[in-house]
Amino acid sequence: EVQLLESGGGLVQPGGSLRLSCAASGFTFTTYAMSWVRQAPGKGLEWVSTISGSGGSTYYADSVKGRFTISRDNSKNTLYLQMNSLRAEDTAVYYCAKHDRDCSSTSCQAYFDYWGQGTLVTVSS
Amino acid sequence: QPVLTQSSSASASLGSSVKLTCTLSSGHSSHIIAWHQQQPGKAPRYLMKLEGSGNYNKGSGVPDRFSGSSSGADRYLTISNLQSEDEADYYCETWDSNTWVFGGGTKLTV
Repeated sequence: EVQLLESGGGLVQPGGSLRLSCAASGFTFTTYAMSWVRQAPGKGLEWVSTISGSGGSTYYADSVKGRFTISRDNSKNTLYLQMNSLRAEDTAVYYCAKHDRDCSSTSCQAYFDYWGQGTLVTVSS
Repeated sequence: QPVLTQSSSASASLGSSVKLTCTLSSGHSSHIIAWHQQQPGKAPRYLMKLEGSGNYNKGSGVPDRFSGSSSGADRYLTISNLQSEDEADYYCETWDSNTWVFGGGTKLTV
């Protein structure tokens, strides 16, 4: 059974940093692309970032480019999101999501087929 | 990048059927999409992948009451024999040029 368990959310001041983690189990972690998707309170889903199975390719939404960094430790079956220079508009539940396949060497053509339960990040003074 | 358009709300009675629509923007009518369900207070759940041909592949444990179909740029999710637990937000998702987009979601009231 695929399981994705996020952690690391909390309250942080504007301009601060936070690192989210997602512990994965039930599948061969290294052979699938992984992503972070967020949902602001009362709003819809917004894609944040994606990483290939090897970690060699990463992709970001314009809204977080230059501030967030996605990474993975395949030896620990764990996905990370380092969030710096946080803003009030980054307040959201952050979901870890597994893709149905890995990225190729040049592109990622894959949809989300499993979701974690989410972790809440609140950016406020 | 593609844009996905969904009606903001829909309603139907217990035991009836409902057809939700996700429309792809111009130039992206052949895109594959995925449908996701988000029950109140819960994480999203993958329902199915849906191709422009109308072929679909459902996720593990998704009831037979859920089906997909396509027509041109429109992608449909049909739920038959509606149950109370089907009351949820439904999102469509697609991808292009290494970015992913979601529709605004349809809130289904049963």
